[in-house]
Amino acid sequence: QVTLKESGPGMLQPSKTLSLTCSFSGFSLSTSGMVVSWIRQPSGKSLEWLAAIDWDGDKYYNPSLKSRLTVSKDTSNTQVFLKITSVDIADTATYYCARRSYYSSSRAYVMDAWGQGASVTVSS
Amino acid sequence: DIQMTQSPASLSASLGETVTIECLASEDIYSNLAWYQQKPGKSPQLLIYDASSLQDGVPSRFSGSESGTQYSLEINSLQSEDAATYFCQQHHDYPWTFGGGTKLELK
Repeated sequence: QVTLKESGPGMLQPSKTLSLTCSFSGFSLSTSGMVVSWIRQPSGKSLEWLAAIDWDGDKYYNPSLKSRLTVSKDTSNTQVFLKITSVDIADTATYYCARRSYYSSSRAYVMDAWGQGASVTVSS
Repeated sequence: DIQMTQSPASLSASLGETVTIECLASEDIYSNLAWYQQKPGKSPQLLIYDASSLQDGVPSRFSGSESGTQYSLEINSLQSEDAATYFCQQHHDYPWTFGGGTKLELK
């Protein structure tokens, strides 16, 4: 069974660094084609893709936030991390991590599993 | 960035009706499109991938299609549990982008 779970500070002050952890099981990030992404959603709004890291350790960032984002993974390939520097109120959102895997039967890349989300509030 | 323009932003329909939600990509995304359903307080759930492939476990009343850069999600025979917000997402190119969402209300 594939599961992902996000964890974070819940609340932090403006200008601080937000650190999020995605802990997952049921798959290995070292499997070819596997990607773990971070996506966020302000309350009542749409989804914004932030960053991703793939099985080969390659990293991808949303250009609109790239200077503030760092994605990484642990050596055991069971956790992925996201850091966002200099947060402000606009970073208040629910943060999700999600798995993109490769369906060999249909030769398709599919983002098929999401975590439950971690709510983050930026407030002084 | 590839822009995904989703319409309508909201719609209201009755049980048993058929509804269609559309997403227009700003450039060719070569069918690299997914549809998600999200209920309040929950994470998005995958419905359709590769524009028209039904994810395992998703009812067959959900279907996806494409015409050029226009992608559509059709829901037939609406059920009460279909009340939710629906999002399209392209993964042809980074940064992956989402549509603005369609809130479906059941009358």
